[in-house]
Amino acid sequence: SQTIHQWPATLVQPVGSPLSLECTVEGTSNPNLYWYRQAAGRGLQLLFYSVGIGQISSEVPQNLSASRPQDRQFILSSKKLLLSDSGFYLCAAFSGRNTEAFFGQGTRLTVV
Amino acid sequence: AQSVTQLGSHVSVSEGALVLLRCNYSSSVPPYLFWYVQYPNQGLQLLLKYTSAATLVKGINGFEAEFKKSETSFHLTKPSAHMSDAAEYFCAVSDPGYALNFGKGTSLLVTP
Repeated sequence: SQTIHQWPATLVQPVGSPLSLECTVEGTSNPNLYWYRQAAGRGLQLLFYSVGIGQISSEVPQNLSASRPQDRQFILSSKKLLLSDSGFYLCAAFSGRNTEAFFGQGTRLTVV
Repeated sequence: AQSVTQLGSHVSVSEGALVLLRCNYSSSVPPYLFWYVQYPNQGLQLLLKYTSAATLVKGINGFEAEFKKSETSFHLTKPSAHMSDAAEYFCAVSDPGYALNFGKGTSLLVTP
C-alpha cells in the first residue's frame, strides 16, 4: 500500500514569512496528489491537485502555491504567510476514482 | 461537479447505541463514494468505499454503509457504538476529473 510522508508535523510561523511544506509518496507511481486544508468547522477544503509532474490545478484563489517537481513529491508554498493561512494541512495521494485515497499525518500550521 | 452533504456537524450517542451518520451526494455520473475517519491531529483513514458493486458496503471497525440511488444517500451506520468510535467522520465523492470532494464532516461523540 501507499505511504504518504508529510513534514513537519507542527509549525509556528510569523506573518509575512515564507512557507514550504513537503509531501512524498511511497508505494505507487504516477499518483494524483492533493493538498487539503482543514479549518475548524469547515471540513476539508481542496487547495491544489496534480495529475502529473509540473501539472497543478488550483481550486481556490489564495496566498498559496503548489509545485510537483518529481512524480512522488508535492510541495505547498507561500511567499508571505497571512494569519488566515493557519490550519491543518493534509497531503493525499489518489490513484483512481475507485481506489482509496491515502493521507499523510498532516501539518498543523499556526501563523502568529 | 460532484459533491456530498453531511447532515449534522455533531452527533452524540450513548455507548452501545446505534450510530447513524448521514451523507447525501450529488453526482452527474455514477458516483464512487467513501467514508473516512479522522482522529485528533491525524490524517484520514478509509472506513469503506462504494464503487458500484454491492450496495451494502461493509468496512472496518464494524461500520457499514448502504448506497441508495433513489435517495442519493450513502449513510454510515454501526449497530453498537464504542467509546473508541469518537472521532470526526467524512463522506467523500470522486469525480471524473479525479478530484476527491469531501463533506464538512460530522463529529461523533460517544457518552458512557
